[in-house]
Amino acid sequence: AQTVTQSQPEMSVQEAETVTLSCTYDTSESNYYLFWYKQPPSRQMILVIRQEAYKQQNATENRFSVNFQKAAKSFSLKISDSQLGDTAMYFCAFMDDFGNEKLTFGTGTRLTIIP
Amino acid sequence: NAGVMQNPRHLVRRRGQEARLRCSPMKGHSHVYWYRQLPEEGLKFMVYLQKENIIDESGMPKERFSAEFPKEGPSILRIQQVVRGDSAAYFCASHGAGISRETQYFGPGTRLLVL
Repeated sequence: AQTVTQSQPEMSVQEAETVTLSCTYDTSESNYYLFWYKQPPSRQMILVIRQEAYKQQNATENRFSVNFQKAAKSFSLKISDSQLGDTAMYFCAFMDDFGNEKLTFGTGTRLTIIP
Repeated sequence: NAGVMQNPRHLVRRRGQEARLRCSPMKGHSHVYWYRQLPEEGLKFMVYLQKENIIDESGMPKERFSAEFPKEGPSILRIQQVVRGDSAAYFCASHGAGISRETQYFGPGTRLLVL
């Protein structure tokens, strides 16, 4: 079974600074997908960024980028120029490529952006 | 284009009552997932359904919980004889077919409180 580990329960950073959230996972599969989801106080789950394991290039979405290290099974999220609206829980998630697209989530990192 | 709809948003039940949670996937999506989020935890997979079929129910408790996704109408997650430990947020997610299947779109969740 796949597992996803987020070792930082809480983080805080000053507005406009850069912050990196860590995520590691365990799988024996060679092809899979990795995601970062954001859950603000409204508790809506919002997709932030997605990475296909077979792609070597790291995904980027505006201020959000990932550092995907397949051999190390590491998938960190970097938020640049952080904004107050980035305050949320961030969940790392794994999906295998077997036709059952259920997500396995980590326990989350609570990120607070300080004005 | 409406997103994933869930209702009710909040549901209060007394121990022993039944809870029925509804999920309407995004237009054109025929794959539905249910996840449960206990307080201060990440989301845990419960069940994966396609129209009129349960594909994977490995995350669903064996007793009191059932799910369906009929040919017409929303997907229903049913919890019979609720207990306090069922208090949680229940999220539904959907995705389309083909190349878009990797990205799940989440509904706003139903917060169930069992008194």
